[in-house]
Amino acid sequence: NAGVTQTPKFRVLKTGQSMTLLCAQDMNHEYMYWYRQDPGMGLRLIHYSVGEGTTAKGEVPDGYNVSRLKKQNFLLGLESAAPSQTSVYFCASSYSPEGRNIQYFGAGTRLSVL
Amino acid sequence: LAKTTQPISMDSYEGQEVNITCSHNNIATNDYITWYQQFPSQGPRFIIQGYKTKVTNEVASLFIPADRKSSTLSLPRVSLSDTAVYYCLVGDLYNTDKLIFGTGTRLQVFP
Repeated sequence: NAGVTQTPKFRVLKTGQSMTLLCAQDMNHEYMYWYRQDPGMGLRLIHYSVGEGTTAKGEVPDGYNVSRLKKQNFLLGLESAAPSQTSVYFCASSYSPEGRNIQYFGAGTRLSVL
Repeated sequence: LAKTTQPISMDSYEGQEVNITCSHNNIATNDYITWYQQFPSQGPRFIIQGYKTKVTNEVASLFIPADRKSSTLSLPRVSLSDTAVYYCLVGDLYNTDKLIFGTGTRLQVFP
């Protein structure tokens, strides 16, 4: 009954460091997403995937890379972290549109870049 | 791409009915209307989705007029635990990257 699991929950990086955020879902969903949420703002789509082995850019993709090697996992990478990437990151998954494309979200990863 | 407009914030008291309206004047024929709820330090959670007329589930009702240029999320008899941010999304379910979360409506429920 896990749903969408994000690791880690918190992370502090120094400028220029790299890291990977992991998202795992156990609902056999085709679609997966990475969002960022800044204080007082809504969610902005970074990258998304409509199936294993496929990824696409969202609204704010610069500075991030993603991979979907397995259907259940969606990784978000920061190659050289910048203070502007301080944010809360949410992963989500959804059925294909036949399943009304309802997104299920993880609990978030709070990232600070110093 | 259907742009949505919601009130920034609303206040209510426990036991009252709350109606949050979302305007989406340029909604397209294939667009659905979906509402999410977000509590502090949590990811958004699906509440309700509709295409036209009225949809009701155990949590809320969604009213969509015939012209579909707006929609109203209705929360019956709110409690303190309904304090959250509510997002209205409008888009074609097959163009998943076009489902935009705006800044939402911050609902504060008082005792």
